[in-house]
Amino acid sequence: EAQVTQNPRYLITVTGKKLTVTCSQNMNHEYMSWYRQDPGLGLRQIYYSMNVEVTDKGDVPEGYKVSRKEKRNFPLILESPSPNQTSLYFCASSLFYGPGETQYFGPGTRLLVL
Amino acid sequence: DQQVKQNSPSLSVQEGRISILNCDYTNSMFDYFLWYKKYPAEGPTFLISISSIKDKNEDGRFTVFLNKSAKHLSLHIVPSQPGDSAVYFCAAPNNAGGTSYGKLTFGQGTILTVHP
Repeated sequence: EAQVTQNPRYLITVTGKKLTVTCSQNMNHEYMSWYRQDPGLGLRQIYYSMNVEVTDKGDVPEGYKVSRKEKRNFPLILESPSPNQTSLYFCASSLFYGPGETQYFGPGTRLLVL
Repeated sequence: DQQVKQNSPSLSVQEGRISILNCDYTNSMFDYFLWYKKYPAEGPTFLISISSIKDKNEDGRFTVFLNKSAKHLSLHIVPSQPGDSAVYFCAAPNNAGGTSYGKLTFGQGTILTVHP
């Protein structure tokens, strides 16, 4: 089944404890992206990747890192999480990047930083 | 600076009636728009899109209208069904700064509730 998977789905952590949220897609998509969803703010893009080893900042990249060493994986790294990073995170992918490309989203990861 | 805005946080309609969800944008360089639908505990899914060379795109019960002069688009659902109850996001790919449409800007979302 074609899908985007994220792990973990739920995570509670403490301030400053490094964590990684994994994202994997099995559709051979070139483009992958991370978003966070917050009440009243909608979805905001954190980072995106147009291909292996090619990443760029979205609108809210502060406090996050990403890497794209393989086509299928695009992990999101929080080196020193803070409470303002408590959010619902979504990974997405699309075959290519372009105005008409539609993105396929993972199920989301709910993160609570204490 | 919110370049894509959905000013109505929620909308409630009766089953069988029309639902109209609105979206405004400020960046005149946007040339493509997408609507995504999101159910609780799931990721968003693509619903319908429109290119700026068109003013209307229809797919079954869903129609998106684009008014470029007003920088406004709307999603019409006719007839509305209880299963349409979800959060709807409009989004615009952004080519600003030579990002080759890598950036995607979403609105805040509108919660649609369709009552039986």
